[in-house]
Amino acid sequence: QKEVEQNSGPLSVPEGAIASLNCTYSDRGSQSFFWYRQYSGKSPELIMFIYSNGDKEDGRFTAQLNKASQYVSLLIRDSQPSDSATYLCAVNILYGGSQGNLIFGKGTKLSVKP
Amino acid sequence: DAGITQSPRYKITETGRQVTLMCHQTWSHSYMFWYRQDLGHGLRLIYYSAAADITDKGEVPDGYVVSRSKTENFPLTLESATRSQTSVYFCASSEGYEQFFGPGTRLTVL
Repeated sequence: QKEVEQNSGPLSVPEGAIASLNCTYSDRGSQSFFWYRQYSGKSPELIMFIYSNGDKEDGRFTAQLNKASQYVSLLIRDSQPSDSATYLCAVNILYGGSQGNLIFGKGTKLSVKP
Repeated sequence: DAGITQSPRYKITETGRQVTLMCHQTWSHSYMFWYRQDLGHGLRLIYYSAAADITDKGEVPDGYVVSRSKTENFPLTLESATRSQTSVYFCASSEGYEQFFGPGTRLTVL
C-alpha cells in the first residue's frame, strides 16, 4: 500500500514568518513529487514540483527533497494571509508523469495570522 | 471558454439512483482523471484515462463506471448510488506532469 503522510495541522504562523510543511512517502520507487494548494471550497492547483534531491526555489516557495529519508517539504517564506489554504503533497512513481499514479496525502491546513 | 468544466456543480440524489457526473476539457489533453475528496481521506483516484477508449481503475473504483468516447469528455456514472458515495468529485486533465482540476461536483446521496 503506497502511502503519503502529512501532518493535518492546522499549522498557524504569523504573517511574514516561514511556514514549513512536511510530507513522507512509503514507496522508495517514487520519482516525482508535487505540492498542490487548495483554498477552501476550491479545486487543487499545482504550486511546485520536484524530481531531484535537494532544493528547488520558485519565488517565496522552496521545495526540498530527500529520497534517502523519503521526505519532501515545502517552505513558504514571508508568509501572507493569502497563503492560508490546505497544502496537498502528491507522489508519482513515474518520472515526470502524472499518468494515473498520483498518490495524494490528506493535506496540511495552513493559517497565516495578520 | 477554455479549461476544464464539470456539471452539475451540486447534486442531491437518493440511494439506488443512477447519477452521471460530466467532465469536459478544451485543451485536448490525453489524460483525464476522476477523484473523490472526503474529510479524513484526502483525494483518492477513482478512474483515469490515457486516451479515448482507454480507461483504468484507480484506488477506489467500486460502484463507479467511466467511459471516454471523445478526448474532451470523461463522464463518471454511479450506477446505483449509495450514501458512502456522498463526496466532492474532482475531474482533472493532464498532458504532462501537471494535473489541472475542474471546479468539482458536490454530490449528496440521501
